[in-house]
Amino acid sequence: EVPLVESGGGLVQPGGSLRLSCAASGFTFSSYYMHWVRQVPGKGLVWVSRINSDGSSTSYADSVKGRFTISRDNAENTLYLQMNSLRAEDTALYYCAGTRGGSNLVYWGQGTLVTVSS
Amino acid sequence: QSALTQPPSASGSPGQSVTISCTGTSSDVGGYNYVSWYQQHPGKAPKLMIYEVTKRPSGVPDRFSGSKSGNTASLTVSGLQAEDEADYYCSSYAGSNNLVFGTGTKVTVL
Repeated sequence: EVPLVESGGGLVQPGGSLRLSCAASGFTFSSYYMHWVRQVPGKGLVWVSRINSDGSSTSYADSVKGRFTISRDNAENTLYLQMNSLRAEDTALYYCAGTRGGSNLVYWGQGTLVTVSS
Repeated sequence: QSALTQPPSASGSPGQSVTISCTGTSSDVGGYNYVSWYQQHPGKAPKLMIYEVTKRPSGVPDRFSGSKSGNTASLTVSGLQAEDEADYYCSSYAGSNNLVFGTGTKVTVL
């Protein structure tokens, strides 16, 4: 059973918006801090954003601050990433990942691909 | 939020050991004992191999070990096996609820 399944990726024009979802199963989602991490195919991992277990605290990488919003619905066991004002450099495979605390990401999804291009 | 520095590649023969470094600053690696290491095979999601500098999650072979000195963390893979060939990334807590990843190291088993 895959603990995290991302969806919502696709092709979007520069300046456009996209909302990613991450459905969790097999673990107590509401107890986990959740992160978004992205990876340009063939390149390295880059941390994007983090939200605490009850959604009251969020943080973002400087490169997405003010454009991306992370949120969660613990009743639906789902994590979200609202991406606005998208740029070509946001093109990447977006992973959601979870941790009970600290910085050890124990659960990962398989990723959803976002392509920003005209 | 600059990426942590890792060597692009490392290699070893089966049975040998390989050590990968991960260099940051006093604001990340050197400032916290929250360094993790991830293994990523082609086309797959990353897998946690080491957390909090030296700890191994359940199921990770004890051939994998971590350490830290100052602003540099290290991952050692002993008794290299063919299935260890993968990309490895370090990460560290960087304060203000932020994380930072390393640039990644491709490990080749000769």
